Amino acid sequence: SSELTQDPAVSVALGQTVRITCQGDSLRSYYASWYQQKPGQAPLLVLYGKNNRPSGIPDRFSGSISGNTASLTITGAQAEDEADYYCHSRDSSGDHLVFGGGTRLSVL
Amino acid sequence: EVQLVQSGGGLIKPGGSLTVSCEASGFTFPNAWMVWVRQAPGKGLEWVGRIKSASYGGATNYASAVKDRFVISRDDSSHTLFLQMTDLQIEDTAVYYCTTVTNWGQGSLVRVSS
Repeated sequence: SSELTQDPAVSVALGQTVRITCQGDSLRSYYASWYQQKPGQAPLLVLYGKNNRPSGIPDRFSGSISGNTASLTITGAQAEDEADYYCHSRDSSGDHLVFGGGTRLSVL
Repeated sequence: EVQLVQSGGGLIKPGGSLTVSCEASGFTFPNAWMVWVRQAPGKGLEWVGRIKSASYGGATNYASAVKDRFVISRDDSSHTLFLQMTDLQIEDTAVYYCTTVTNWGQGSLVRVSS
């Protein structure tokens, strides 16, 4: 089982705002990164650190942290945002890395 | 342009061994900490292990599921990362990715079946 917990599935209406959460005790000490993965493709880093987007990632993607919960917010979701999203951080020991179980985002 | 080009993978019987390679270009590979991640069919991402750069002693860490069976190594002279897998089990069937965390290889399918 993962030390980072995500909801299995979330849906959002086109153009609306959606928040995907990731819960874990290690998030009180370490930042989460977020990956987007579309079918048949390698994961794509969309957010890292406190709230940093790699080059080319739209600014509708943003991140936040509250206690042991990290959140990825998509403001004005687009059809192309439909994908699986994974959070990623260290485990409680700090020595190992771990992924959340993933959240499937549907854009309706 | 950063590129991670993987080779290796394939069909292997339970108990067998296999090595996947990852050739890096477009960045200073010797300075990079490199990671292997796998994804079983229809499942989520699973961290396999990490190797630090030589300046950090090239230390490795592994997930408990693969510890003592898998070995991550690197050849900084050829900018290549390796994942040596031994005593492979059915549950090791997955696409294996090398990654800098930011950039990812194309993935290598390892299928363990009798």
